[in-house]
Amino acid sequence: AQSVTQLGSHVSVSEGALVLLRCNYSSSVPPYLFWYVQYPNQGLQLLLKYTTGATLVKGINGFEAEFKKSETSFHLTKPSAHMSDAAEYFCVMANQGGKLIFGQGTELSVKP
Amino acid sequence: ETGVTQSPTHLIKTRGQQVTLRCSSQSGHNTVSWYQQALGQGPQFIFQYYREEENGRGNFPPRFSGLQFPNYSSELNVNALELDDSALYLCASSPAYGQGTYNEQFFGPGTRLTVL
Repeated sequence: AQSVTQLGSHVSVSEGALVLLRCNYSSSVPPYLFWYVQYPNQGLQLLLKYTTGATLVKGINGFEAEFKKSETSFHLTKPSAHMSDAAEYFCVMANQGGKLIFGQGTELSVKP
Repeated sequence: ETGVTQSPTHLIKTRGQQVTLRCSSQSGHNTVSWYQQALGQGPQFIFQYYREEENGRGNFPPRFSGLQFPNYSSELNVNALELDDSALYLCASSPAYGQGTYNEQFFGPGTRLTVL
């Protein structure tokens, strides 16, 4: 069965510090992987996606993620956190039919 | 280009009642998916509609049902509401369905349902 696990339900960083949100997946077929962000009282916005090709994927707002098949991971990083990055982040996998499987989410807090 | 819209924004119902949530897909999108997001959790897939036909269903009981109309808008109906149905219901539309491919899903802002 396909599944997504996010390590840490809450991550807190200082403004300007590195952001690292961890995600591991389980899939018997090559996965399509995504990171979505959800701001309070808003819908989900796509940050970045991995389908095929280059394993280092760059997204919006300075975020990037690296697909590592050997580690079944797709961690999200940003070199320097900004206050506006505070939000809920979801690691997501799409199955062959295009249905999305979400991780539990990681709430990112950014301290001034 | 208008994005995905959902109505109503908020809704309060009591146990046993029925509710209908509505979603207008983005222009040019013929596939609509519905997700339930309970407080503090990630969204869970309910079902997907492609060209007015149900195209896959998650682990939800039959009292969760849906429709898709010729203009590709969609409804989610929930009968015999239970307290645990309280959640944010998200609708997402995508341009097409294709086996072995992935088309990005665009999410609406959601409908917050509270069951008392």
